[in-house]
Amino acid sequence: QLQLQESGPGLVKPSETLSLTCTVSGGSISSSSYYWGWIRQPPGKGLEWIGSIYYSGSTYYNPSLKSRVTISVDTSKNQFSLKLSSVTAADTAVYYCAREWEGYCSGGSCQIFDYWGQGTLVTVSS
Amino acid sequence: SSELTQDPAVSVALGQTVRITCQGDSLRSYYASWYQQKPGQAPVLVIYGKNNRPSGIPDRFSGSSSGNTASLTITGAQAEDEADYYCNSRDSSGNHHVVFGGGTKLTVL
Repeated sequence: QLQLQESGPGLVKPSETLSLTCTVSGGSISSSSYYWGWIRQPPGKGLEWIGSIYYSGSTYYNPSLKSRVTISVDTSKNQFSLKLSSVTAADTAVYYCAREWEGYCSGGSCQIFDYWGQGTLVTVSS
Repeated sequence: SSELTQDPAVSVALGQTVRITCQGDSLRSYYASWYQQKPGQAPVLVIYGKNNRPSGIPDRFSGSSSGNTASLTITGAQAEDEADYYCNSRDSSGNHHVVFGGGTKLTVL
């Protein structure tokens, strides 16, 4: 059974860089069938896609966050990571990592997040 | 457009049928996926594609799609179905972006 686990500091100071790592177990991050994504959820609000990465290193970012986001992958450790720079209180959220699949299903195009980590709360405060 | 629109809240009587909808231009190119999220928990995929359920999802959950609108239907809603439901799809821009709907809070009365 595939499992994802987020790790990193739960408190970050304003203007600093938020850094999180997602460790994948029970499967290989180098599988050609999947992307690996980060999604966040501010307290009491909805889900927001941050970005995704392919095992080869190709990255895709939410345009609204692109200038501050870097996602990287370490296939030797079966991990991928998120860095979000210049954080403010608005970046306070539960951050999830997830496995992403895109392909053809039901005769059409599908994109899904089928496995999620439990999430980690990151608070931005001095 | 890169937005998916959902009604903020919907309610259903116990045992009755409820439909939750999601609208957006990207749904003309991509099927919506649906996620259930209970308080303090990570989202769980419940429906994807035309009407596909991952293993372990009860068959009272079903999906449908027409034009720019996707629907999640719960037939015979149970108390444990009370949760937030989110739709998502690939953005239709062709840039591999992802969009989520704003979520629908389902209350089972």
